[in-house]
Amino acid sequence: NAGVTQTPKFQVLKTGQSMTLQCAQDMNHNSMYWYRQDPGMGLRLIYYSASEGTTDKGEVPNGYNVSRLNKREFSLRLESAAPSQTSVYFCASSEVDAREAFFGQGTRLTVV
Amino acid sequence: AQSVTQLGSHVSVSEGALVLLRCNYSSSVPPYLFWYVQYPNQGLQLLLKYTTGATLVKGINGFEAEFKKSETSFHLTKPSAHMSDAAEYFCAVRRYTGRRALTFGSGTRLQVQP
Repeated sequence: NAGVTQTPKFQVLKTGQSMTLQCAQDMNHNSMYWYRQDPGMGLRLIYYSASEGTTDKGEVPNGYNVSRLNKREFSLRLESAAPSQTSVYFCASSEVDAREAFFGQGTRLTVV
Repeated sequence: AQSVTQLGSHVSVSEGALVLLRCNYSSSVPPYLFWYVQYPNQGLQLLLKYTTGATLVKGINGFEAEFKKSETSFHLTKPSAHMSDAAEYFCAVRRYTGRRALTFGSGTRLQVQP
């Protein structure tokens, strides 16, 4: 049982480049989330999808877009990467009431 | 808006000593409360959670936490630290209504000295 799978695990981008972070879960969860983790700031919610077909902004959505492709997959896109987006990105999923969230292993992104 | 405060970004204990990691929340209505652990270069793993019912919650690896409404706290404890407990610990909350996503504290890095 893979749980939540994120690709890639590591990525280096140049300022202005675009990329998509992929996330898939095999637990049949309705809700999915994207967080970023920065030192001393914990995890901050970028976007979330309460159910298939819906997406909502979190605390720090600027510079990002998301797509809930189907129930399993939730992607995060950086259209024009900036050094401030250097971070570790985590995808998570849960049942709709979010009583427990399951996390992927993270994507370490560096923007130079 | 709800928030979570973790007191102490770094905590160091000796092996075998008590572990106490502090978490306070601000919410007009008691939320769901969680503790997660993150080992180096890994994702987050749920240690324990409080939703309703008994206020003393037991989790994995010998950890427990007590929900105290009067103090708006949910501190994490373990009677005897083990070297393998060295990790970063995050407290998180989720409201009963509204946005159904977790809000995290800034984290506490636990160091265990031999």
